[in-house]
Amino acid sequence: DVKVTQSSRYLVKRTGEKVFLECVQDMDHENMFWYRQDPGLGLRLIYFSYDVKMKEKGDIPEGYSVSREKKERFSLILESASTNQTSMYLCASSLRGAGNTIYFGEGSWLTVV
Amino acid sequence: GDSVTQMEGPVTLSEEAFLTINCTYTATGYPSLFWYVQYPGEGLQLLLKATKADDKGSNKGFEATYRKETTSFHLEKGSVQVSDSAVYFCALSTLSGGSNYKLTFGKGTLLTVNP
Repeated sequence: DVKVTQSSRYLVKRTGEKVFLECVQDMDHENMFWYRQDPGLGLRLIYFSYDVKMKEKGDIPEGYSVSREKKERFSLILESASTNQTSMYLCASSLRGAGNTIYFGEGSWLTVV
Repeated sequence: GDSVTQMEGPVTLSEEAFLTINCTYTATGYPSLFWYVQYPGEGLQLLLKATKADDKGSNKGFEATYRKETTSFHLEKGSVQVSDSAVYFCALSTLSGGSNYKLTFGKGTLLTVNP
């Protein structure tokens, strides 16, 4: 079974802190994604990566950055957390190409106070 | 741009009732279409998919047919169970630069099934 593991299920951070959300997949997938999920808004793509050291902005990249130094690991960075970044963050991965299933981690609940 | 519109919830049904959750899309080219399900406290799981027009995806008694003429991918189940209570997301896979694909999601539909 494909496994996408997010390092933290629940985090509470203070405004202005730098926050790292880590994600690891074990199926040698080329593509990795970060989404955020908010009530009434569904899932919105923040960033994705289709290869090591490659990244592409999604629909809502402002206030976020990402890092992909190894194929299996994709990190989401909040340089200076703000309260409007309180959300559920979902990491996902897939093989390259049309029609391939995207596999999700269990999510990280981030609260910024 | 590409988008997915699905019926707003919440949807509340009694056990063994018939379920339809409508989904329509706007996309250039020929997207693949997906339904994902999210059970309480969990991440998303693939429920079913269809990769070309007239394909029918099916799983766990759910099914959906890729209708290019109506740009729709409605989810149906003949007899729902309490365990089907979850949030359901319709999504499409579209090209984003070169040969890379990404998913665009609808806003989700909360289904509650009562005994």
